[in-house]
Amino acid sequence: DAKTTQPPSMDCAEGRAANLPCNHSTISGNEYVYWYRQIHSQGPQYIIHGLKNNETNEMASLIITEDRKSSTLILPHATLRDTAVYYCIVTPRVGNQFYFGTGTSLTVIP
Amino acid sequence: DSGVTQTPKHLITATGQRVTLRCSPRSGDLSVYWYQQSLDQGLQFLIQYYNGEERAKGNILERFSAQQFPDLHSELNLSSLELGDSALYFCASSSAGTSGGEQFFGPGTRLTVL
Repeated sequence: DAKTTQPPSMDCAEGRAANLPCNHSTISGNEYVYWYRQIHSQGPQYIIHGLKNNETNEMASLIITEDRKSSTLILPHATLRDTAVYYCIVTPRVGNQFYFGTGTSLTVIP
Repeated sequence: DSGVTQTPKHLITATGQRVTLRCSPRSGDLSVYWYQQSLDQGLQFLIQYYNGEERAKGNILERFSAQQFPDLHSELNLSSLELGDSALYFCASSSAGTSGGEQFFGPGTRLTVL
């Protein structure tokens, strides 16, 4: 499985967009990018995933670079409830056990 | 609410003991995954079952075992417990087997070994 690199922590002002980067330079052609978040010690929550096209859902947008070596998760209007650890996971669609790294601890500041 | 349930929420036991953690997947999901989250190791994949059969193994100790029953619920058995087994144990389910898909996580079981 490809390794991912994320900044350990980030701050974002409430109401502003939060842009969380992830590097996955060794990603393979059949590997997807998944984003999850974990609020305190709750179960990880699925946010979004993509292969090579940009994706958007009600929670967030995922921007994947053309070479697929990095991606950015965008929370368009961050709220205090978005304070969490965000994990970027790269995994093949087939037999996709998730290997979580250390993630990015996002703090939304009032 | 992800639709995945786990029992018990908390478990306190002593070293050397054996415990069983239970997971009920979302309705219709055939795959169940178990993960362990400890302070020093982060979230680690343990094992996956698909429709009753073991599909993949991760960093699961030999003292740990799991199974998935015909009604698709799963149990994780931890034996000869050590202090280092204290952790959060999460179960996740997905609708896919080897074809992948997003996983939905339960609220976890917090195990404390004294």
